[in-house]
Amino acid sequence: DAGITQSPRHKVTETGTPVTLRCHQTENHRYMYWYRQDPGHGLRLIHYSYGVKDTDKGEVSDGYSVSRSKTEDFLLTLESATSSQTSVYFCAISESINYGTSTDTQYFGPGTRLTVL
Amino acid sequence: SQKIEQNSEALNIQEGKTATLTCNYTNYSPAYLQWYRQDPGRGPVFLLLIRENEKEKRKERLKVTFDTTLKQSLFHITASQPADSATYLCALVYGNNRLAFGKGNQVVVIP
Repeated sequence: DAGITQSPRHKVTETGTPVTLRCHQTENHRYMYWYRQDPGHGLRLIHYSYGVKDTDKGEVSDGYSVSRSKTEDFLLTLESATSSQTSVYFCAISESINYGTSTDTQYFGPGTRLTVL
Repeated sequence: SQKIEQNSEALNIQEGKTATLTCNYTNYSPAYLQWYRQDPGRGPVFLLLIRENEKEKRKERLKVTFDTTLKQSLFHITASQPADSATYLCALVYGNNRLAFGKGNQVVVIP
């Protein structure tokens, strides 16, 4: 998994509780992404980061926040978890975005399965 | 609205045959397109990238075509093997350095 770890790998939580998922990389890649994957929807981008302290929203960012204080760590926080946020969350990294070069590929972590009861 | 469409039905194919998957898109003008493989319980793994000015790309038993006029990419697995059974995702670059993924197409190779 290209030096990417996600923690926890599984989590069950209750509606209304805060949850933080962590993505850690050892590749020193500049770009980091958080996706969620749900049946019938595929992979959808939540937030991404293009450098330390530089983040932007994806297509499904409502209810989520992120932080990146170090190159290697990208945190995803659900401030108040809801049942609709039950999903599998994937972190991905990319070395650079250079439109059509081999470095544009994204490398994915193993995923975190989150269940909100 | 922007859409990426992949066949939602699983493709069941006999070992040794060629599997062909389709990725159609609307309201995108991607500079390149990528294909990923995803196994159950795992994250996607990059397979191939093809640029808008390339018609075809090959890697071992994999072949990808990209037709920007038809807004379509075809993904071929030749001489398919049971180990090729997985879900295959196409992805397009859009906006500010982001990838949009199709929902994926499952391939089942029957021995």
